[in-house]
Amino acid sequence: QPVLTQPPSVSGAPGQRVTISCTGSSSNIGAGHAVFWYQQFPGTAPRLLIYGNTNRPSGVPDRFSGSKSGTSASLAITGLRAEDEADYYCQSYDNALSGSGVFGGGTKLTVL
Amino acid sequence: QVNLQESGPGLVKPSETLSLTCNVSGASISRYYWTWIRQPPGKGLEWIGYVFFSGSTGYNPSLKSRATISLQSSKSQFSLSLRAVTAADTAVYYCVRRNYDLYYMDVWGKGTMVAVSS
Repeated sequence: QPVLTQPPSVSGAPGQRVTISCTGSSSNIGAGHAVFWYQQFPGTAPRLLIYGNTNRPSGVPDRFSGSKSGTSASLAITGLRAEDEADYYCQSYDNALSGSGVFGGGTKLTVL
Repeated sequence: QVNLQESGPGLVKPSETLSLTCNVSGASISRYYWTWIRQPPGKGLEWIGYVFFSGSTGYNPSLKSRATISLQSSKSQFSLSLRAVTAADTAVYYCVRRNYDLYYMDVWGKGTMVAVSS
């Protein structure tokens, strides 16, 4: 059972805005640990999308944005494109697990 | 350009030891956490653990008793050993570079599929 909770799936039409939630607890996100987001296409390795809750690595479009509040975080994608269809994972660290990294179960984004 | 490449057997028998190596090229081993992540078929990502360039390690408590991650700096490699494997250890195993101070995982290997079966 993943430590962080994500919706299994979300969908949206091209051009729309979608958000993916990531819910944790007081031992991980709520303890002040940063949240990271990764994008994964079938058969490929995950790619870093957001780090430090809100920051984008170079090369990631500004259509992708992250936020964090309390024990939760969100990934927003605006101007949805067909090529955004992928799995998205949130990740943080957990004091109750000796600082181990923890992931959400992943969210499948479908572009209608 | 930094590149990570996993290598090791694609099939391991139950109760035996899974051993993988990650070759690091294009970057120094220093000042990073070198991490293993795995993904069972059709499922999500699972953190296994890391080795720091100093040699210190950290593990997922659920795997700590069976996993060992070590660094071979002179060869620019790090490795994973997972003992007493079962079918539940069947997964794609990724080696990953984790940033020293901001903790993001920015460079991933392509992954290697390891099946546990007799």
